[in-house]
Amino acid sequence: ILNVEQSPQSLHVQEGDSTNFTCSFPSSNFYALHWYRWETAKSPEALFVMTLNGDEKKKGRISATLNTKEGYSYLYIKGSQPEDSATYLCGCSLGKAAGNKLTFGGGTRVLVKP
Amino acid sequence: GAVVSQHPSWVICKSGTSVKIECRSLDFQATTMFWYRQFPKQSLMLMATSNEGSKATYEQGVEKDKFLINHASLTLSTLTVTSAHPEDSSFYICSAPLRVPPETQYFGPGTRLLVL
Repeated sequence: ILNVEQSPQSLHVQEGDSTNFTCSFPSSNFYALHWYRWETAKSPEALFVMTLNGDEKKKGRISATLNTKEGYSYLYIKGSQPEDSATYLCGCSLGKAAGNKLTFGGGTRVLVKP
Repeated sequence: GAVVSQHPSWVICKSGTSVKIECRSLDFQATTMFWYRQFPKQSLMLMATSNEGSKATYEQGVEKDKFLINHASLTLSTLTVTSAHPEDSSFYICSAPLRVPPETQYFGPGTRLLVL
């Protein structure tokens, strides 16, 4: 069983502050890690797909890193804004044969306070 | 970006009825689509992989006769919850990958099912 865990489950951030949170996964047979941003009543929005150890990706004020050897990824939000409030999901695929079959963590719910 | 629609967005039905949920890729073709289910305070759990023109593959513990999947075209997959019971009440969401792995998956907005 592939367990993907995210921590913390939720966090409150003051507007303008930066924050980060973690996705951990079994490092054996890792293939790809996906990050999504999910606002209530909307479709999850794809942020990043990462495959290589040491990968770093950035989209605006949001960035992510990947460590496949130790089995974790960090997602960073720089200068948080109220519109960053959402649940951030990570999903992991185990092995190339798994293809796009993703196992998701429970999400980190971010609330940015004005 | 690619868009996936899902219909209906919510449904309330009586126990014993069947409910069909549609998942459409609006601007791309998807030979594969995925169906997930999410219970309150839990993760998205993969139920099955929908394959265009062939049978769906189900994850362990998911009853294929209970959750019928049909992927009749490159843009449409349907999930039918047969003889729904209150324990089937959940949030169902589909996704479709763009191109080959490990490309991005695009999600529909989900369907909330309440069985009375």
